[in-house]
Amino acid sequence: DIQMTQSPSSLSASIGDRVTLTCRASQGITNYLAWFQQKPGKAPKSLIYAASSLQSGVPSRFSGSGSGTQFTLTISSLQPEDFATYYCLQYSSYPFTFGPGTKVDFK
Amino acid sequence: QEHLVESGGGVVHPGGSLRLSCAASGFTFSRFSMHWVRQAPGRGLEWVTVISFGGRNTKYADSVEGRFTISRDNSANMVYLEMNSLRFEDSAVYYCARRPEGNTFDLWGHGTMVSVSS
Repeated sequence: DIQMTQSPSSLSASIGDRVTLTCRASQGITNYLAWFQQKPGKAPKSLIYAASSLQSGVPSRFSGSGSGTQFTLTISSLQPEDFATYYCLQYSSYPFTFGPGTKVDFK
Repeated sequence: QEHLVESGGGVVHPGGSLRLSCAASGFTFSRFSMHWVRQAPGRGLEWVTVISFGGRNTKYADSVEGRFTISRDNSANMVYLEMNSLRFEDSAVYYCARRPEGNTFDLWGHGTMVSVSS
């Protein structure tokens, strides 16, 4: 199975900050990487698919990059509604695997 | 509007069984593979299982292989998760999600809670 790691596990940031989250795969997954945002008590929300494609309706301050084994999610200017936990997902091969998540909270 | 609505969760004893349902509406259900993803209390997301758009192909996480069965009824726009031999570690919120070709889970239900407790 492909293992996914995320760093940092948590970070504190302020409104307007540029935030970069990292996700690594234990083996190459080309660009079969997605990012999700989850708020407490809510279902996850898809942000990015195919490593860098923005899901419909997602603000352009979110962007993704990377290929192979290393990927990043960048929020260009953090907004109040962005405080949440972010998960990456590899869907290159079954079983699909999620990273452990990065919690973004208010500094 | 496109919706997924899960139901069937509840409290069950270890070794017991439960059947979850997911009702789809507002889109052409038969065009999408359907997945179940779960989240234990205070934990991260875990992919559980998938069924192809036609229902012929399925895959399972090792943790549920042989105990859980996914199925679908395209005429009723429903996907099901039959869970047998339940364990304490199966306690979680179970989400159904659809996956379009070339995309990832773009639509999720609100989830249904399963608690395995003695």
